[in-house]
Order: sequence, then C-alpha cells, then structure tokens
Amino acid sequence: AAGVIQSPRHLIKEKRETATLKCYPIPRHDTVYWYQQGPGQDPQFLISFYEKMQSDKGSIPDRFSAQQFSDYHSELNMSSLELGDSALYFCASSLLGQGYGYTFGSGTRLTVV
Amino acid sequence: GDSVTQMEGPVTLSEEAFLTINCTYTATGYPSLFWYVQYPGEGLQLLLKATKADDKGSNKGFEATYRKETTSFHLEKGSVQVSDSAVYFCALTETSGSRLTFGEGTQLTVNP
Repeated sequence: AAGVIQSPRHLIKEKRETATLKCYPIPRHDTVYWYQQGPGQDPQFLISFYEKMQSDKGSIPDRFSAQQFSDYHSELNMSSLELGDSALYFCASSLLGQGYGYTFGSGTRLTVV
Repeated sequence: GDSVTQMEGPVTLSEEAFLTINCTYTATGYPSLFWYVQYPGEGLQLLLKATKADDKGSNKGFEATYRKETTSFHLEKGSVQVSDSAVYFCALTETSGSRLTFGEGTQLTVNP
C-alpha cells in the first residue's frame, strides 16, 4: 500500500539558509499535518491543511511557511535557518471522517550547521 | 489545553518480562487515544488506538484500555521481545482530523 512520502530524507544546511521539505500524502487523503521532533523530544505540531486550506496552526515560527497544492502534496519552507531548527520533521496525512487514521512519513532529518 | 504525561523512562527489561508503560491525559472533551512506536531512525507507526471509554486497543501482543475515570491509557505486553526495543509515544486527539498531542515518549530496551 502507498505510504506518506517525504523528501529529502536528509538535509544539511548552513545558518541563515533556506530549506524546503516536501510531503506527498496517501492518495485520496485530504488532510496533511507537519510535526517537528527535536533530539530526544516528542513531536510538536506545526501546522495542518485540509483541502488545501490551513486548518490548524501550532508552534510554527514566523520564519516557516507551508502550503498544500492542488495535487494535495505539501511543502514546508524554512528561512533564516537557526541551529535550533535541527530536528526530524514529520508529515502525516489522514482522510477526514475515516476513523482517526493518521499515517506518518519517515521524516526529513534537517541538520543546520 | 490538552496534555499527555508518560511514565518517566527509560525502561530496561529482560526478554519475556511483563511491560507496563503508564500514560495519563488531560483533555477538555472526550479524546481518542493512541500509542505510537518509533524505531531508531524511522517514522512513527501506529501501534493501537481507542476512541471511547472502556475501549481496548490491541496489536502485536500490546494492549491498552481507555479508562475515563482515571484518565489513563496504560500500555501493556505480557512478554516482550528484543525486537520491541523502541520509543513509545502516547498521544491523543480531540476530534477526527485535528492535531495529535504527544507525551514525552518512553525508551524501551529489551535485553536477551
């Protein structure tokens, strides 16, 4: 079965650079979520989109932005990167009304040096 | 706001030992509860879930019962294996489609 695809798997950037993370949800899933997981920490919710509209916003820095495109894939754009942005970034998708079925991708590990 | 509290870890057990990882929650409504497992270098995998009080979720020998009276969702397994070594996260969501709130995670190490 198709899963949630994230790219790239690993990314190394320097401070003050920009990064773009991509997420391809499970086909027909209409909601995408982004989470940030720091080393040894629990995942923190950043933002979500339902049918290409922002549906919820968590602790996402102003330097970050995200959107969901017409094909339902989503991108997380991160600018003016800081060392503290180094983390594992997860994307998850679900189909609203289908019994709480959240499926997570394998994540993008971002390292800021 | 919503929150999830897990027992302090890490937890180290011998193979075939009994496992309990405690999880309690605070929520304004009637949340759905989950256990996710994360193996090293991998994403989060749903282990089990329960959507209403007294529901029991089960999978791969793991069980957890939604206890509304004690706001708990403790994870149990009767006989752990080395392959169960991973980080376990308890989580909740208030409604279908809304964000997941995670606990701090519990690192489980099972020794042969």
